[in-house]
Amino acid sequence: DSGVTQTPKHLITATGQRVTLRCSPRSGDLSVYWYQQSLDQGLQFLIQYYNGEERAKGNILERFSAQQFPDLHSELNLSSLELGDSALYFCASSVGQGDEQFFGPGTRLTVL
Amino acid sequence: GQQLNQSPQSMFIQEGEDVSMNCTSSSIFNTWLWYKQDPGEGPVLLIALYKAGELTSNGRLTAQFGITRKDSFLNISASIPSDVGIYFCAGQRYGGATNKLIFGTGTLLAVQP
Repeated sequence: DSGVTQTPKHLITATGQRVTLRCSPRSGDLSVYWYQQSLDQGLQFLIQYYNGEERAKGNILERFSAQQFPDLHSELNLSSLELGDSALYFCASSVGQGDEQFFGPGTRLTVL
Repeated sequence: GQQLNQSPQSMFIQEGEDVSMNCTSSSIFNTWLWYKQDPGEGPVLLIALYKAGELTSNGRLTAQFGITRKDSFLNISASIPSDVGIYFCAGQRYGGATNKLIFGTGTLLAVQP
């Protein structure tokens, strides 16, 4: 158990819908990262937050957004969902910005 | 998206055999990490390497940070059935305000008892 929690574990929804994925970092970690894992693209970095502020963006679509709240938990919002958005979404956390990242168990999103 | 070249893509071995896998990049990294992912789970950090040439062990696992900073390898000695899973390398650069991980394509390891 990494100490990073993610909910829900599974999510099934339809095209065009909007969903929110939630992540709680390890106690004491200030950085949260979101990654997407799909069969064709592998594990890809989406976005990073540090202490409530966005710090870096990767291959994140404009339909996706995220935020980190004062209690340091983070949410990833996915809207206007398409079939190709079906993937595993992982959250990771680290103490600072150059430290080892610990991954949560992931949310499996299926878009039908 | 960017992925690092990782080989082999898969390995099917007998229990007790040694395993070696490697990862290469066209650009340098400040840190190399190795993760293992079990089905339905998130990646779990196995070994972190911070210095070119560094050789680090964690039990039966040994990893090295290449001198050129563009490659890394992972060895597993005397494999056991619970070593089954997908192994990923990841490179990390420091610069600006990000330390995102760039992952390799993964090596699927199957161990036959």
